[in-house]
This record gives sequence, structure tokens and C-alpha cells, in this order.
Amino acid sequence: AQSVTQLDSHVSVSEGTPVLLRCNYSSSYSPSLFWYVQHPNKGLQLLLKYTSAATLVKGINGFEAEFKKSETSFHLTKPSAHMSDAAEYFCVVTSSWGRRALTFGSGTRLQVQP
Amino acid sequence: GAVVSQHPSRVICKSGTSVKIECRSLDFQATTMFWYRQFPKKSLMLMATSNEGSKATYEQGVEKDKFLINHASLTLSTLTVTSAHPEDSSFYICSAVNSGGSSYEQYFGPGTRLTVT
Repeated sequence: AQSVTQLDSHVSVSEGTPVLLRCNYSSSYSPSLFWYVQHPNKGLQLLLKYTSAATLVKGINGFEAEFKKSETSFHLTKPSAHMSDAAEYFCVVTSSWGRRALTFGSGTRLQVQP
Repeated sequence: GAVVSQHPSRVICKSGTSVKIECRSLDFQATTMFWYRQFPKKSLMLMATSNEGSKATYEQGVEKDKFLINHASLTLSTLTVTSAHPEDSSFYICSAVNSGGSSYEQYFGPGTRLTVT
């Protein structure tokens, strides 16, 4: 069994300030973890992924996430928010076994204030 | 590369009619595709796993007779919503796993918005 908890349904930051989107996971097997972004009326775009290599993962658009097994966390960060970062972000987990179906978190809506 | 398309992008149908949604992997082969449903301002819920050449695997609570899935080729899976009702109105998203690539990465289609009147 696997699950994902996104701790904040809504995060608001000012442009140029850091972004932190929190995610905790649960998985019976070695997990692979992802962050996806969904802009309004657009498809899902992969930001970054962790698949048991380096624990600090760098993604597109300046985002990165750190896999912390002891804390079962995979928080997404960015040093400086841009207006174009405003979107819905999903933390996703899949196990390394089985059907590789993805389990999505409930999503965090990021709002960036000018 | 790794593009997944969905057709149509938006469809409106009358209650009681059936609607077919196509999911295509344009530049890779996908033995496995997934169908998700997303309610407004909600997360994605996995409906079923579509396997090329075999029956789809449905998640608990998803009616297989209502949501017919066919995966007849390595690049095409279809979802047919039969006898649609207003409560079936939703955003349907498919994803495909590259058979020849990473085991974990799925590529998502842009989604199909279904409105049943």
C-alpha cells in the first residue's frame, strides 16, 4: 500500500521569495517519488523524480526536492518564486513493484503575489 | 519526445449517450496506460490500468461496465463512458508508460473535459 499526504492545500508567497511545498509519503516497498505541476487547463508536467539515486533531486525551472527516508518526506523547494510558478502541484508516489500505478497527493495550490 | 495525446480535448454529450475518449502515445510504444479522473479542484483518482492485448484492471469502486477500456495496440487506449449521466462529468486524463524507457516515468495526456447535460 502507498499513500501521499500534502500538508498544505494552499500556499501563498511573494515573487522572489522561497517556495516550500510539503509532502510526506507512505510505501510498503522502495518508493519512487515525483512532483508534477498542473497549470490551469493544461496537462500534467513532470518537475522532478526520485528513483533511489541521489537524495537531492534537481528538476526543471529551478525546483528541487530532497528525499528523507527517516522523515518519509519529499518536500519541494525553489529559492525564488516567479509569477509563472503559480499552479497546482502534486506529490506522487509509486512503488518499485507491481503495476507502477501512481498515487497522487491531494495537491497544493501555489499562489505567487507580485 | 514522449508525447501523449488525447482526443477529444473537450466534449459535451446528452445524458444516456456514450462517449469515447482516445489516448495515444505518439512517439513511443506503451504496453501499459492508465486512466485517471479529476474532479474540480481535486486530485487525480486512478480509475483503471489498461494493458495492451488483455483486460483492463479496474480500481475498487469503478464500474467496468460503465467505463469500457480497450487497449488494442501499443499506441492506443480508449475509454468509453457508456450511458453517461451528469455525475460522469469530469476531467479524464490518461498516462502512458514507455515500454522501452524508465520503469517509473509516466507521460500524461492533456486531458479530456467531459460535460454531460
